[in-house]
Amino acid sequence: GENVEQHPSTLSVQEGDSAVIKCTYSDSASNYFPWYKQELGKRPQLIIDIRSNVGEKKDQRIAVTLNKTAKHFSLHITETQPEDSAVYFCAALPLGKYIFGTGTRLKVLA
Amino acid sequence: NAGVTQTPKFQVLKTGQSMTLQCAQDMNHEYMSWYRQDPGMGLRLIHYSVGAGITDQGEVPNGYNVSRSTTEDFPLRLLSAAPSQTSVYFCASSYGGVVDTQYFGPGTRLTVL
Repeated sequence: GENVEQHPSTLSVQEGDSAVIKCTYSDSASNYFPWYKQELGKRPQLIIDIRSNVGEKKDQRIAVTLNKTAKHFSLHITETQPEDSAVYFCAALPLGKYIFGTGTRLKVLA
Repeated sequence: NAGVTQTPKFQVLKTGQSMTLQCAQDMNHEYMSWYRQDPGMGLRLIHYSVGAGITDQGEVPNGYNVSRSTTEDFPLRLLSAAPSQTSVYFCASSYGGVVDTQYFGPGTRLTVL
């Protein structure tokens, strides 16, 4: 069945450094790839998304890249800050059903 | 707008009991969905709906029923609760069909003893 693999499961970076989280999807029909941030005890919230006809998208310190040939997409956070500490989830959308990755716990060390 | 609301916030059930988790949205969103979140397993889709009167199964539908009689409401029913259904349940909705920002509700923490 459809599958989304997400790596790493945990990531610690020094404040100001960059963080990169990678996801790989299995279904080539996937055409939408959102990223969600979930703080402890809170609901997931969309931080950025990309559609299959775009290779890269940026929003201030956050960027997402998509390689359709290799079926992988990545989240890049630059100049990390303590408030970036959270769990990040990627997702793919094959045929109307969201499939989420298992999450990456990002810790930004002050 | 209240956005996506869920009730209750917490619930404890005994094995075999049934209950309904409520989800409502006031944004006139067509697409609504239910997820369960377990440690280390991300968010798994249980059921979803692309509009009133239309529902379909997600990844993990067994043991759950849904209905969508109105655009606003999308209740999730546990028919006979099992300890394996202990989880945090999130409802979500989006406006422009499936390929659009999903807004999540605050979640319901369910424990089945």
